[in-house]
Amino acid sequence: QSVLTQPPSVSEAPRQRVTISCSGSSSNVGNNAVSWYQQLPGRAPKLLIYYNDLLPSGVSDRFSGSKSGTSASLAISGLQSEDEADYYCAAWDDSLNGWVFGGGTKLTVL
Amino acid sequence: QITLKESGPTLVKPTQTLTLTCTFSGFSLSTGGVGVGWIRQPPGKALDWLALIYWDDDKRYSPSLKSRLTITQDTSKNQVVLKMTNMDPVDTGTYYCARWDNDAFEIWGQGTTVTVSS
Repeated sequence: QSVLTQPPSVSEAPRQRVTISCSGSSSNVGNNAVSWYQQLPGRAPKLLIYYNDLLPSGVSDRFSGSKSGTSASLAISGLQSEDEADYYCAAWDDSLNGWVFGGGTKLTVL
Repeated sequence: QITLKESGPTLVKPTQTLTLTCTFSGFSLSTGGVGVGWIRQPPGKALDWLALIYWDDDKRYSPSLKSRLTITQDTSKNQVVLKMTNMDPVDTGTYYCARWDNDAFEIWGQGTTVTVSS
């Protein structure tokens, strides 16, 4: 059971928009920056979003992040087949004194 | 260009100690604000953070694994080493090192697969 809760899977049609939620608590999401990672099949994770809503250089602006209270979200617009991947949220947890990851969400582009 | 690469044994026996090395280039761990972390992933499962060493040699460990982990750095070699004692088959998985900066794991290595079996 992961400290950060994500839906196991989401699906949407090409060119549509999808959001992935990440629910935590006041000791992690509520008080610290959230980052998001994309893991394509058989590949290492890649940073998509840092400091809740910032995009690293080179990441498509079809990806966006937001945070409100103890929940964060990743939105992907203009879905493409190459977006099919596992997505993870992460944050520092003040109570555990360590990093915590969500359980991951598998995105299927129909 | 920043790169990281993990190396170590692909097979270890139960109760043995695993030693993994992360060799990086394109940055220095002496630079303020950066760190190198280790994250693992059991087959078909989620990412699991293990340890993080900061530029000032401060270290943080996963609470559930703290007693088994040691992370060290060799600045002159641009390497970070992770030792995990008393390996068990449940520790089987892919182990990643990643550069930490801006409160995120910015750049990841390709990962190294470790199997624990007798």
